[in-house]
Amino acid sequence: SQQGEEDPQALSIQEGENATMNCSYKTSINNLQWYRQNSGRGLVHLILIRSNEREKHSGRLRVTLDTSKKSSSLLITASRAADTASYFCATDRGTQGAQKLVFGQGTRLTINP
Amino acid sequence: NAGVTQTPKFQVLKTGQSMTLQCAQDMNHNSMYWYRQDPGMGLRLIYYSASEGTTDKGEVPNGYNVSRLNKREFSLRLESAAPSQTSVYFCASTRDSPRYNEQFFGPGTRLTVL
Repeated sequence: SQQGEEDPQALSIQEGENATMNCSYKTSINNLQWYRQNSGRGLVHLILIRSNEREKHSGRLRVTLDTSKKSSSLLITASRAADTASYFCATDRGTQGAQKLVFGQGTRLTINP
Repeated sequence: NAGVTQTPKFQVLKTGQSMTLQCAQDMNHNSMYWYRQDPGMGLRLIYYSASEGTTDKGEVPNGYNVSRLNKREFSLRLESAAPSQTSVYFCASTRDSPRYNEQFFGPGTRLTVL
């Protein structure tokens, strides 16, 4: 079963606008990660936020985490055509041993020039 | 560094045939993973290996076997392929020590079972 539910499933915006994607999950987590997948390619890690963190920034990316609501959001500012991709959240519930990520179904983002 | 490599890139099988998907990483990572991704879906964990010599089931292990040949290599075997195993398979690795590390993914193997 998928731990994460992502919203919206698809998002289409104009270049230069901001894009916001949301992720909800069901159980307590150790950390939450966001990945990007270009069409036909493997996933690329974007950012990791720990359960005791509320907000994190990396370049044009801003991630928030609300553990009380079991939700996270990914904001991409000043979008570019190259940001067109699918974005997945993934949760890690473990505290020891191998990291076992549970992925959401993803948001398909299209940036229109 | 090549990162995570997978072979083959594409494969077509008939129902009942067997095959092994190969994965290797050159980052000296402890943990390795196999996922499958069905159309329009996120990834689901099939098997993982926390270290050389150990393997454990993930969310969807039925119909698959794995071997952690050494620290670098982690293979996934389909003994008797079924159409329901048509998917894109991704291998990944991570350091895991400390725990808060990203996973690095290979480019994927697109498998079709007829």
